[in-house]
Amino acid sequence: EIVLTQSPDFQSVTPKEKVTITCRASQSIGSNLHWYQQKPDQSPKLLIKDASQSFSGVPSRFSGSGSGTDFALTINSLEAEDAATYYCHQSSDFPRTFGQGTKVEVK
Amino acid sequence: EVQLVESGGGLVKPGGSLRLSCAGSGFIFSNAWMNWVRQAPGKGLEWVGRIKSKTTGETTDYAAPVKGRFTISRDDSKNTVYLQMNSLKTEDTAVYYCATGGNFLDYWGQGTLVTVSS
Repeated sequence: EIVLTQSPDFQSVTPKEKVTITCRASQSIGSNLHWYQQKPDQSPKLLIKDASQSFSGVPSRFSGSGSGTDFALTINSLEAEDAATYYCHQSSDFPRTFGQGTKVEVK
Repeated sequence: EVQLVESGGGLVKPGGSLRLSCAGSGFIFSNAWMNWVRQAPGKGLEWVGRIKSKTTGETTDYAAPVKGRFTISRDDSKNTVYLQMNSLKTEDTAVYYCATGGNFLDYWGQGTLVTVSS
């Protein structure tokens, strides 16, 4: 099973700051890495697919990078509405797996 | 607009069974690969399983903790995917989401809560 490890587990950030969340895979997964945002009491929403491609309707301040085993989600100029938990997810192999999540708090 | 609506959750005793449904609209359901993902209270996301479209074989894959107990099926005439859960354990307590996608999961339902408790 491919293990995804996110860092950090929690981040408290002021508005307009830049946020970077990393996701490391236990083996190479190419670009088969996706990012989701889950706000409290809501279902997850796709932000970034295939490591770096923005999903339709996602604000341009969200971007993804990386390949192989190391990936990052960047939020440029954080807004209050970005308070959420962010998950990475791999589709390189079965079983599909998720990172443990990174909770972003907006101060 | 893509919509996924799960139903069928509830309280069930350990060892019991439950069938969840997920009705889709706003897209060509028969072409979609469908997934189930769960989230235990206060925990992260866990992929449960997936069913391919009929034209690609309608095959299924499952996570190890549910393999042999859970079965995913689909009825394209009803635009619905099902999750049959047997031999339920307390650790199966979670919100269960259905989601579309073969690789990334592009659309998600609102989830249905399954509580396994005596």
